[in-house]
Parts: sequence; C-alpha cells; structure tokens
Amino acid sequence: GENVEQHPSTLSVQEGDSAVIKCTYSDSASNYFPWYKQELGKRPQLIIDIRSNVGEKKDQRIAVTLNKTAKHFSLHITETQPEDSAVYFCAASLRSGGSNYKLTFGKGTLLTVNP
Amino acid sequence: DAGITQSPRYKITETGRQVTLMCHQTWSHSYMFWYRQDLGHGLRLIYYSAAADITDKGEVPDGYVVSRSKTENFPLTLESATRSQTSVYFCASSESRRNTEAFFGQGTRLTVV
Repeated sequence: GENVEQHPSTLSVQEGDSAVIKCTYSDSASNYFPWYKQELGKRPQLIIDIRSNVGEKKDQRIAVTLNKTAKHFSLHITETQPEDSAVYFCAASLRSGGSNYKLTFGKGTLLTVNP
Repeated sequence: DAGITQSPRYKITETGRQVTLMCHQTWSHSYMFWYRQDLGHGLRLIYYSAAADITDKGEVPDGYVVSRSKTENFPLTLESATRSQTSVYFCASSESRRNTEAFFGQGTRLTVV
C-alpha cells in the first residue's frame, strides 16, 4: 500500500519567517495530495490540496509544490503568524481496487511560530 | 463542518468490553473513513467505505468491526477493547469517487482501562 513520509516532525520558526514541510509518497498511482491543519484539541481541516496534473498551487500565504518524478510534495507557509502554530499533515490518495480510494496520512509536523 | 458528528465525545471503558463509536453525516457523502490518532503515528486508517454495504480494511483493522447499512451512518465497534486501543478516533466523509476534501468529525477520545 501507499506509504507517506513527512519531515520534519517538529519545526520552530520566528514570526514572519517561512516554514517548509516536506512529504514523500511511495505509489506513483497516487494523484491527489491534500494538506490538513489540526489545532490543539480540534479536528483536522483541509488548508490546500493539489492534484497530480498540477505542479504548484498557491492560496495567499500558503503554497504547495508537487514533483511527480521524485514523488515528493511540499507545503510552504510565508510570513508565518502565531495562529499558524498547529500540527500539519500531508496525505496522498491512492485509488485502490474497484471504486474505492483511501487517504493515507503522514505522521504530522508540529509547527510552532514564536512571536 | 456540523454536517458530520461523532458520539460520544469521550468514553472510558474496561478491557474486554465491547464499545461502539458512532458517526453520522448529513451530506449524503459516498465515502466514509475511520482513523485513529496516536502520538508519533499521525492518522492511521482503520476502515473505509465507498457506499452503503461496501467496506474495506485500512492500515490497522485488527480488533475493529464496521458496518454501513445506511449512507449517513458508519459505526465503529471494538469487539473486545484492549489498552492499545486507547486513542482519539476520527470519522471522516468525502463527497464522491473523485478525490475531494475529506471532512472530519470532532473526534472521540477513548480510554481503555
């Protein structure tokens, strides 16, 4: 099955700096790569996603890049703010047999933005 | 996000007991998922379902049973709870066969003593 590796596991930055989180996936059949943010005690929520036919996508201060050849994708957060502090998860979607698909997550990155 | 709800929010049970976690969504989403979240392991898929009466195993299915007799409900049962099943459980749903956003419930914190 699909395996998603995520690095780093923890990341501490100063307010205003950029943060980069990287993920690799194992199955070249994966074609959908979402990123979720989970604040303490809350549910994960989608912040951005990218499909395999696109190399980069941007939404205000966050952007995601995808390199299908190398099977890795990254989350970039610019001008970080304290409210960006959370756990971030990358995921890859693998279409398994028949009409099913399943979403496989990385282990998460705890981002701390220091004021 | 109020469209997917889990119950109970917190549960303490004893080793060996059967416990069922409920998940209900009001969007008529085809896909539903159960994940467990543990420190150092992220979100691990237990079971998923593509439609009513269609379920399949995920990464860590042992000790769990699911059913989906109706599109809107996807209960997760621990047949004989063990301490290793102490975790936060998240249910999620997604709209269609295309890869689209998965919406998560608020989670159930289960403690097995």
